[in-house]
Amino acid sequence: DAGVTQSPTHLIKTRGQQVTLRCSPKSGHDTVSWYQQALGQGPQFIFQYYEEEERQRGNFPDRFSGHQFPNYSSELNVNALLLGDSALYLCASSFARTSEQYFGPGTRLTVT
Amino acid sequence: EDQVTQSPEALRLQEGESSSLNCSYTVSGLRGLFWYRQDPGKGPEFLFTLYSAGEEKEKERLKATLTKKESFLHITAPKPEDSATYLCAVQPEYGQNFVFGPGTRLSVLP
Repeated sequence: DAGVTQSPTHLIKTRGQQVTLRCSPKSGHDTVSWYQQALGQGPQFIFQYYEEEERQRGNFPDRFSGHQFPNYSSELNVNALLLGDSALYLCASSFARTSEQYFGPGTRLTVT
Repeated sequence: EDQVTQSPEALRLQEGESSSLNCSYTVSGLRGLFWYRQDPGKGPEFLFTLYSAGEEKEKERLKATLTKKESFLHITAPKPEDSATYLCAVQPEYGQNFVFGPGTRLSVLP
């Protein structure tokens, strides 16, 4: 049973650039959530997608946007990158009727 | 505002030395409390879900308990492979998001 997968594993970008991160949910899951984890801190909720719509959003600026596709996979887009966007970006999937979220390995984004 | 704190920030144990990690939370109605284990540079690994005060869950050397304001993760006779950061998260009753604590870094020395 394939777990949550994310790509790429690592990414280095320059300030002002744009980045797209990708996530495939665990088999049977239809809901995808994105989190940002700074070094030494717990993950912070960015937003959640269900039925191709943003269901809930955390306290992140509009530079962070997302999309969910009919096959339940998802993308996270960040525009106008800032140095402070450097972090581990985690994708988590769940089945809409349950609470448990299963995380992928993350994408390490470094902004220089 | 929903909030989760964890203590201690870091814990060093000798192999076989049992201890407990604490997770305290304030939330506007609790849908669930979750424990995760995270190894350096990797995504969190799901351990337990607790839904109501008095509930307990066990897995190998780990046991999680829940009260109305806090949860404990008890580690019995830990081994070096239990070394990791342990994260606690709550899901508010009317939200989809998880609110995470900062984690407890556990080191188990042989």
